[in-house]
Amino acid sequence: DTGVSQDPRHKITKRGQNVTFRCDPISEHNRLYWYRQTLGQGPEFLTYFQNEAQLEKSRLLSDRFSAERPKGSFSTLEIQRTEQGDSAMYLCASSLVGTYGLTEAFFGQGTRLTVV
Amino acid sequence: GQQVMQIPQYQHVQEGEDFTTYCNSSTTLSNIQWYKQRPGGHPVFLIQLVKSGEVKKQKRLTFQFGEAKKNSSLHITATQTTDVGTYFCSLPNAGNNRKLIWGLGTSLAVNP
Repeated sequence: DTGVSQDPRHKITKRGQNVTFRCDPISEHNRLYWYRQTLGQGPEFLTYFQNEAQLEKSRLLSDRFSAERPKGSFSTLEIQRTEQGDSAMYLCASSLVGTYGLTEAFFGQGTRLTVV
Repeated sequence: GQQVMQIPQYQHVQEGEDFTTYCNSSTTLSNIQWYKQRPGGHPVFLIQLVKSGEVKKQKRLTFQFGEAKKNSSLHITATQTTDVGTYFCSLPNAGNNRKLIWGLGTSLAVNP
């Protein structure tokens, strides 16, 4: 499968625990994005990478959130001291830069986080 | 700051009826993308529009980019139950076109 893959698909955790999600983008894509989506909303931007460099992090993101893309390939998103408000679908997407800017974003199937 | 409005937020139609969703930006766009998200699924790319006044068709779907490149529409002719889902427009952030911002989407329900 050459698409974007995310692991795990579902995660249930107790409030206060740390969780880590993984994303494997399409191999030739140099852009990788993390989004969060709650029911009835569009994807909310969290952060993105150009190769291994993290170029932007949403101001909405607290210091409990951190993301890495150590070798410019897969990426991890860690949430420390989870809160119930962190419950959401976490989506990863990858893309290339085309002539007119961003080309289409390919999304993984997401990791659904439930904090109890 | 830049704003994206999508209307309507919800639409309920009988199978066979047409459907249109509109996306409006407060700034002029270099391009716009449309995605479809099925219930329980992830967004899937439909199309990218680049040129002023551009119209593209995919079977029963017609996409249009406004002349001023500040709005776009997606029209579905003779809806089918397989069209159910949420349709999002996505566009480059005005301050940093390296990232996309998203409308809230239009959720389409189709009665068989």
